[in-house]
Amino acid sequence: EPEVTQTPSHQVTQMGQEVILRCVPISNHLYFYWYRQILGQKVEFLVSFYNNEISEKSEIFDDQFSVERPDGSNFTLKIRSTKLEDSAMYFCASSEEGAYTEAFFGQGTRLTVV
Amino acid sequence: DQQVKQNSPSLSVQEGRISILNCDYTNSMFDYFLWYKKYPAEGPTFLISISSIKDKNEDGRFTVFLNKSAKHLSLHIVPSQPGDSAVYFCAAATDSWGKLQFGAGTQVVVTP
Repeated sequence: EPEVTQTPSHQVTQMGQEVILRCVPISNHLYFYWYRQILGQKVEFLVSFYNNEISEKSEIFDDQFSVERPDGSNFTLKIRSTKLEDSAMYFCASSEEGAYTEAFFGQGTRLTVV
Repeated sequence: DQQVKQNSPSLSVQEGRISILNCDYTNSMFDYFLWYKKYPAEGPTFLISISSIKDKNEDGRFTVFLNKSAKHLSLHIVPSQPGDSAVYFCAAATDSWGKLQFGAGTQVVVTP
């Protein structure tokens, strides 16, 4: 069964450093998303991406965040200068047709900022 | 921004009995609702969905009920099995991009 894959599974970084979280969405999907879950809290939407541009972003997704689809298969989330409060589980998701079709989630990248 | 609420953080149910998980929402623009299941150290896995034009959708042991006037939906799992022990998230979408608003989740424990 096709799946969304994320690398690395765990990333530890020093505060102020840049991190890039990588995702390979399901190949025929057109809509891509990043979500995050801070420990003990709900899953929160960060950004959606369609047709090579951001379609929507949340308040969390400030100038420190960026997304890119550098080639036909990868979808990345970059955090330019990490803060302690960026520590969370980051989930990539993709869906075939956006709304009304389910999003498939990757297993997540646990980001720990120290 | 608590547009989707799951007020029960946990639910314990005996194997073979029915599990009922509840979800309330405040945004009347939501028109698509989904339930996701999550095991530790894994991403959420899609379980079942319902659009706002329906009031019930069934898939095997899982049934979702939607009461639009009450802005309430529920997930019924019957019969419950030990493998159903997980965190269940209610989610809702309003727009064509498919952004999901999640509830806080309900931890279900199915006991033998």
